[in-house]
Amino acid sequence: GESVGLHLPTLSVQEGDNSIINCAYSNSASDYFIWYKQESGKGPQFIIDIRSNMDKRQGQRVTVLLNKTVKHLSLQIAATQPGDSAVYFCAENINTGGFKTIFGAGTRLFVKA
Amino acid sequence: ETGVTQTPRHLVMGMTNKKSLKCEQHLGHNAMYWYKQSAKKPLELMFVYNFKEQTENNSVPSRFSPECPNSSHLFLHLHTLQPEDSALYLCASSRDTGGAYEQYFGPGTRLTVT
Repeated sequence: GESVGLHLPTLSVQEGDNSIINCAYSNSASDYFIWYKQESGKGPQFIIDIRSNMDKRQGQRVTVLLNKTVKHLSLQIAATQPGDSAVYFCAENINTGGFKTIFGAGTRLFVKA
Repeated sequence: ETGVTQTPRHLVMGMTNKKSLKCEQHLGHNAMYWYKQSAKKPLELMFVYNFKEQTENNSVPSRFSPECPNSSHLFLHLHTLQPEDSALYLCASSRDTGGAYEQYFGPGTRLTVT
C-alpha cells in the first residue's frame, strides 16, 4: 500500500517549563554531534554541538548531554518559550576517514502559551 | 540570515522540464551540500562538494546533476523528474568536510513535480 508520511515524535510543553528532547544515534564511530532547529518555512539552524570527548555542553538556555555507553544524546531547553516551537534534529558525524553525517528523523516541539 | 541563499524558493515543473536550483554562500566556506527533505523520509544527503570537488554522491539518480563552479556557488540541475521527487531541497555549507564543523543551511527550494 501507499507509505504514510514520516510520523515525527511530538513533545508538547507549557511555556516556562523545561523541555528535554532525546535522540538515539547509531554508530560507535561517531565523534561529533549537533542539534539543529527547523522552524516552519526555514532550513535547519545550528543550536549546539558536542564532541565525543565530552559528556555535557551548555549554551544559552540549552544543554546537550552525551551518553556514549548507550549511544544517547539529549537536548535540554530551559524556560521554553513559544519561539522554541520547531522540529529539532540531532546529527552524528561518523569518523571513518571520510565525511559522513547522518540526521535523525526529528522531534516536533509544541510550546503551549 | 544564515549566509546561505537559495533560488528559487518555490518551483513547479512538469516531468519533461529542465530546471536548475541555485545556492550561494557568503560565509567563506569550502564545503557545500545538497539535501532532500520530504514528508516521508528524514533529511537525506544527496551530494557533497569540498573545494569544488565532488566527494560524495549518495546514490542519487542521474536526473539530478550537481555543479559547483566555485566554493561559493552550487547548482542542482533537474531533468525529467518524477512526482516522487517533489520535496524541499536544502543547500548547506560548512568550513570544510575534514573536521567537525556545523553546517549552515539555506531556506530551501520547495519543488513540486506535476
